[in-house]
Amino acid sequence: GQNIDQPTEMTATEGAIVQINCTYQTSGFNGLFWYQQHAGEAPTFLSYNVLDGLEEKGRFSSFLSRSKGYSYLLLKELQMKDSASYLCAAVDSNYQLIWGAGTKLIIKP
Amino acid sequence: IAGITQAPTSQILAAGRRMTLRCTQDMRHNAMYWYRQDLGLGLRLIHYSNTAGTTGKGEVPDGYSVSRANTDDFPLTLASAVPSQTSVYFCASSDRTSGGFDEQFFGPGTRLTVL
Repeated sequence: GQNIDQPTEMTATEGAIVQINCTYQTSGFNGLFWYQQHAGEAPTFLSYNVLDGLEEKGRFSSFLSRSKGYSYLLLKELQMKDSASYLCAAVDSNYQLIWGAGTKLIIKP
Repeated sequence: IAGITQAPTSQILAAGRRMTLRCTQDMRHNAMYWYRQDLGLGLRLIHYSNTAGTTGKGEVPDGYSVSRANTDDFPLTLASAVPSQTSVYFCASSDRTSGGFDEQFFGPGTRLTVL
């Protein structure tokens, strides 16, 4: 079956760095997305990786290892507004997104 | 309109009633999707449409139907609502190109409670 695993909840301190991991098992693979979702709001796009390596976009970076079925989202210089859920989604062979349950990130002052 | 809109924002519905959730996008995206999001679970795809006039079943299609008469609108109908359909429903769209994959843009969601 198809499966996405990511931690349920993480806590970090304002100004620090946090890494949110995601492992995936899909029938075929056509890339991996990270979305941010604030409580009561819609998910919004953060990043898309299809090739191995690190993609940096401001304070946020996303890494992919296709051979290991693994990705992570790295958030630097954490701000209180980064408190949200972070959703990992892998694209399968039919170009459908398989979503993880999300990681709730709590930022403490 | 800018982006994707959904209506209603929230609804309380008696079991057995028929309900249509509306979704409209103005980005001229070819692909549209309906998801449900339940606590502790990931977004689950209900139905999708790759282009106007075509629809497909997702992971959890039972009890739901969709239509795609034009590019902009993608309504989701619950023929006879049941309490297990209590959820937050998100509509999304993407400019899906051949051989590639583009980000999905989400509407604000409809919070549906079936009693």
